[in-house]
Amino acid sequence: EPEVTQTPSHQVTQMGQEVILRCVPISNHLYFYWYRQILGQKVEFLVSFYNNEISEKSEIFDDQFSVERPDGSNFTLKIRSTKLEDSAMYFCASSLSTWDNEQFFGPGTRLTVL
Amino acid sequence: AQSVTQPDIHITVSEGASLELRCNYSYGATPYLFWYVQSPGQGLQLLLKYFSGDTLVQGIKGFEAEFKRSQSSFNLRKPSVHWSDAAEYFCAVGPFSSGSARQLTFGSGTQLTVLP
Repeated sequence: EPEVTQTPSHQVTQMGQEVILRCVPISNHLYFYWYRQILGQKVEFLVSFYNNEISEKSEIFDDQFSVERPDGSNFTLKIRSTKLEDSAMYFCASSLSTWDNEQFFGPGTRLTVL
Repeated sequence: AQSVTQPDIHITVSEGASLELRCNYSYGATPYLFWYVQSPGQGLQLLLKYFSGDTLVQGIKGFEAEFKRSQSSFNLRKPSVHWSDAAEYFCAVGPFSSGSARQLTFGSGTQLTVLP
């Protein structure tokens, strides 16, 4: 069964460093998403991406964040200068369409900022 | 703005007992409603979804949920819980849309513990 994959599973970084979280969505999907979950809190939407551009973004997704689909398979989230409060689990998701809006989630990358 | 409330942070049931997890939503139009499950160290797995039609929807692993528009609720049920159902359960709402990717709004989750 096709699935969304994410690497790495755990990333530890120093405050102020740049990190890139990688995702491989399901191959025929067209819509891509990043969510995050701070420990003990809700899963929060960050950004959605379609047709090589951002469709929607939340208030969390400020200038420190960027997304890219560098090739036909990867979808990346970059945090330019990490802060302590960026420590969270980051989930990538993809969907084939928005007709039923069913999003398939990856296993997540746990980001720890020291 | 859409929102989702899961009033129960933690529920404990005995194996074999029935289960109901509550979810209330706030949304101005007919929403898409979802239940996801997250096991430790795992991603979010879709249990079931509601878009339209029959208000009682069946999902995987023996789960079902009922959409009640008058109560703005979408409660998840299972008649007999198995130990493997212990996990965190998230209700989510998404707007109907076509042509652009749209976000899901999640509730805060209900942690289910199953006693032997």
